[in-house]
Amino acid sequence: AQSVTQLDSHVSVSEGTPVLLRCNYSSSYSPSLFWYVQHPNKGLQLLLKYTSAATLVKGINGFEAEFKKSETSFHLTKPSAHMSDAAEYFCVVSAYSGTYKYIFGTGTRLKVLA
Amino acid sequence: ETGVTQSPTHLIKTRGQQVTLRCSSQSGHNTVSWYQQALGQGPQFIFQYYREEENGRGNFPPRFSGLQFPNYSSELNVNALELDDSALYLCASRTGGEQFFGPGTRLTVL
Repeated sequence: AQSVTQLDSHVSVSEGTPVLLRCNYSSSYSPSLFWYVQHPNKGLQLLLKYTSAATLVKGINGFEAEFKKSETSFHLTKPSAHMSDAAEYFCVVSAYSGTYKYIFGTGTRLKVLA
Repeated sequence: ETGVTQSPTHLIKTRGQQVTLRCSSQSGHNTVSWYQQALGQGPQFIFQYYREEENGRGNFPPRFSGLQFPNYSSELNVNALELDDSALYLCASRTGGEQFFGPGTRLTVL
């Protein structure tokens, strides 16, 4: 069975400081992992994805994530937060077991302070 | 923009009523999935359709049902609405592993 745990429900950072959003996963199969962002009253936007290629994945808007199999982690980082980064972030695991199914984490709300 | 559209954007129903939500997939995508996102929660998988057949289902009761049409557009039907059905309903289309999400339909059940 697949599952994903987002370790922080809320993260606050000051503008210009680094962002770290933590995600651990569990999967019986070789997983695909994703980070999505959801701004208020908006749909889900894909930030980046890991699909068994390079373990360091670069996404949009300066975000990146590193797949660490030994730690079963896929943490999202950004060197310098911008006010527009304030949103809800979801870590997602997908694996094929008859069909693809996306399992979402509970989300991390990122607050960026001026 | 993902190319996935949903209608309506907002909907208000009363308990016990039935509702149909619609999704138009991105061109060429033959698989559509539906998710329920309650307030303050992550999206929960409802079911998935591939070439007009349901081929995956989450932990939702049978009063949640769906259809996929030959042009790969899709409907989500919910019967006997309950207050807890109030949520944002998202559809996502794909071909292969990556899903593209629509903006969602906000359903309020009074």
